[in-house]
Amino acid sequence: GAVVSQHPSRVICKSGTSVKIECRSLDFQATTMFWYRQFPKQSLMLMATSNEGSKATYEQGVEKDKFLINHASLTLSTLTVTSAHPEDSSFYICSAREGGRSSYNEQFFGPGTRLTVL
Amino acid sequence: LAKTTQPISMDSYEGQEVNITCSHNNIATNDYITWYQQFPSQGPRFIIQGYKTKVTNEVASLFIPADRKSSTLSLPRVSLSDTAVYYCLVGGNGNNRKLIWGLGTSLAVNP
Repeated sequence: GAVVSQHPSRVICKSGTSVKIECRSLDFQATTMFWYRQFPKQSLMLMATSNEGSKATYEQGVEKDKFLINHASLTLSTLTVTSAHPEDSSFYICSAREGGRSSYNEQFFGPGTRLTVL
Repeated sequence: LAKTTQPISMDSYEGQEVNITCSHNNIATNDYITWYQQFPSQGPRFIIQGYKTKVTNEVASLFIPADRKSSTLSLPRVSLSDTAVYYCLVGGNGNNRKLIWGLGTSLAVNP
């Protein structure tokens, strides 16, 4: 149980285009989803937290107009990188937390999406 | 949010027991301690979580002293496939509980 999927696993796009990444909780309802970015040999950096049906909360320094997050249902959140540039190339990871769980920190992570902007 | 400190890297050999210690001096009363494992180009994988004393599951043990200012992840008889980065995180309750990730410990298991 507690499986999170991401699609696509890898994407290559041209500079200036927009890319949408999907994050799905397959066997549970995710009241909260988190989006992270990870550069090579660095740690995960939290970008934003989203609750189903409400606006996402972005971390300081993350442009909300560039990284659009939608959490329209309890099983799906999307991250859209708008007008992508080479510096946006990174590994994007989502995680989901099931509402009501007693394990306070237990987030279930997706496999990640490798974005390369040419 | 409590900050954690771990060794940057560790080396071990197949079959050995590996202990990775994490310091979290500012841990709050309602914070739990959680360890994740991450392989290259994959999302982190939950290993174990605890609040105090000792927790054991099928893959690891977690030792937490009474003052809870540190914790030790113990991996029994590691294999080559345990080569990964291990992250220690602390946090408490809350619907929007954020996880702040440190650099983790890069464990290399050698033949």
